[in-house]
Amino acid sequence: RKEVEQDPGPFNVPEGATVAFNCTYSNSASQSFFWYRQDCRKEPKLLMSVYSSGNEDGRFTAQLNRASQYISLLIRDSKLSDSATYLCVVRGYGGSQGNLIFGKGTKLSVKP
Amino acid sequence: EAQVTQNPRYLITVTGKKLTVTCSQNMNHEYMSWYRQDPGLGLRQIYYSMNVEVTDKGDVPEGYKVSRKEKRNFPLILESPSPNQTSLYFCASSSAGGRAGELFFGEGSRLTVL
Repeated sequence: RKEVEQDPGPFNVPEGATVAFNCTYSNSASQSFFWYRQDCRKEPKLLMSVYSSGNEDGRFTAQLNRASQYISLLIRDSKLSDSATYLCVVRGYGGSQGNLIFGKGTKLSVKP
Repeated sequence: EAQVTQNPRYLITVTGKKLTVTCSQNMNHEYMSWYRQDPGLGLRQIYYSMNVEVTDKGDVPEGYKVSRKEKRNFPLILESPSPNQTSLYFCASSSAGGRAGELFFGEGSRLTVL
């Protein structure tokens, strides 16, 4: 089983749609979880951290399910500008920044 | 402006010709790292550094060297580049004491080895 797995997509959705991405991780000792966004040919940027209690930032909601070892990202009212690749990132045990593991990303394309 | 700067942004070279990709950050970050990104493989870590003179291998270190003589700089060295090192390279930095997991990436260096 791969350490961090994501559905590569692409997810093609119309503007205004709600879309959800899931990510699974294999190491039950993983400590921290994040979603990064990467635009085509650009560098990844932190979108949001994922907390155990779930967290929301505007149209974006992140959830963590430790028992099932998955993380989700929900985007409501999709905008054209949401088109990007979304990377699930997991920090392994030990707390070191060197243990950040990136998923391969899920591509989202929002159409007019 | 807080940033991570990589140079060159684009490079075409030939097999065996040594090259260095520089990376510099102005945020006084302790942690720096190099990744390569290839289609279908995602981001893979090459080397990372927790602080000056402290470096460690990532997942794909073969064919690469790094050094961390100063806090702000973390160059990636390809002693004898080969075509399988054609890739998009990202340097990243983070504060050890800052929001864990928030990596700041450079704009990327696209390398082609012929």
